[in-house]
Amino acid sequence: EAGVAQSPRYKIIEKRQSVAFWCNPISGHATLYWYQQILGQGPKLLIQFQNNGVVDDSQLPKDRFSAERLKGVDSTLKIQPAKLEDSAVYLCASSDIQGFVSTDTQYFGPGTRLTVL
Amino acid sequence: QKEVEQDPGPLSVPEGAIVSLNCTYSNSAFQYFMWYRQYSRKGPELLMYTYSSGNKEDGRFTAQVDKSSKYISLFIRDSQPSDSATYLCAMRTSYDKVIFGPGTSLSVIP
Repeated sequence: EAGVAQSPRYKIIEKRQSVAFWCNPISGHATLYWYQQILGQGPKLLIQFQNNGVVDDSQLPKDRFSAERLKGVDSTLKIQPAKLEDSAVYLCASSDIQGFVSTDTQYFGPGTRLTVL
Repeated sequence: QKEVEQDPGPLSVPEGAIVSLNCTYSNSAFQYFMWYRQYSRKGPELLMYTYSSGNKEDGRFTAQVDKSSKYISLFIRDSQPSDSATYLCAMRTSYDKVIFGPGTSLSVIP
């Protein structure tokens, strides 16, 4: 079974530039998550999709971050404009559903390491 | 006070030692408790999953939850160099998102 794919793996940009990350979840997984992991911290949920609907985006800085999951499969996360404090690893994860609830087994991709200069 | 706290380490032990990793939390509504392992430059992977209080064992790993003390632990027996990683505790209520701890860095020295 193929895992969660993310690209690019690394990105360096200057502040005020824009950047986009791509994620392809495990085939058949209805739930997709984007996390931000700052060095020395645990992952923090930015947005959760179930199919192509948003379940939770309460911690997404909506003035600069946006995400979409068209057709309920792959997803993109965009930052525009980037700030220095956005330097982090952006992790995508996916999980299956039992009934109406996502299971707790989240499968993570390798992440995209973003450096904002 | 942060919702989930973990000693960041680094923790360094000799091969074969028993390792104890711990987390404390403040939200008494947490019911589902997880431990994830994260190797350098990789995404986290689920190791153990426990519902409510009690113990769960899987091979060399044992997870313990003490809800009365708001304290969870992960024990690793006969630790191996391949166990060297960051260990993240995670937890959630029955209706909300997963909250991760900051992680403990573990090195097992051959």
